[in-house]
Amino acid sequence: ETGVTQSPTHLIKTRGQQVTLRCSSQSGHNTVSWYQQALGQGPQFIFQYYREEENGRGNFPPRFSGLQFPNYSSELNVNALELDDSALYLCASSLAGVLTDTQCFGPGTRLTVL
Amino acid sequence: DAKTTQPPSMDCAEGRAANLPCNHSTISGNEYVYWYRQIHSQGPQYIIHGLKNNETNEMASLIITEDRKSSTLILPHATLRDTAVYYCIVRVLNDYKLSFGAGTTVTVRA
Repeated sequence: ETGVTQSPTHLIKTRGQQVTLRCSSQSGHNTVSWYQQALGQGPQFIFQYYREEENGRGNFPPRFSGLQFPNYSSELNVNALELDDSALYLCASSLAGVLTDTQCFGPGTRLTVL
Repeated sequence: DAKTTQPPSMDCAEGRAANLPCNHSTISGNEYVYWYRQIHSQGPQYIIHGLKNNETNEMASLIITEDRKSSTLILPHATLRDTAVYYCIVRVLNDYKLSFGAGTTVTVRA
């Protein structure tokens, strides 16, 4: 069973740039969620994708967008980067419709915005 | 919008049981209690979840009070590798998101 993988591990961008983060879900999972974790805080839900469509969204502006592909992998895109976007971005996969659904997290991508 | 209250930190001696409390006084009848932990520089890891009965798995035990307003996660024999931030989350089963609070930083000491 392959776990959740994310790339890249670390990334440095400057304010105003755009970034794309990638996630491969655990084998057998069909749903991907993205979270942002600022230093010293718990993860905050950004959005979830199921069947290639956004299935729920947290309190994040539209410059945070995503995609899910037919193989259930996903991308998180952030436009017009701001300094406060510096954080650990976590991807989690799960299997929709399973009674005891639990989300499996990847190791995260550390984004630094200068 | 986390609906749980946890102590910010606690210490535990290696080999002893670690009892992590969580208050969720506003929990609804269809909300489950989930526990995750996050070891430094890693993604959160699922530990256990329950509705109203006590639950046990290979990692931990979950004790939920009869009124469901609080719960305790028990790590029966803590090791140094259990040092992590532990998050208690209430969630409707299959809700699309997990709402993390600040969690409890558990430090296991030799």
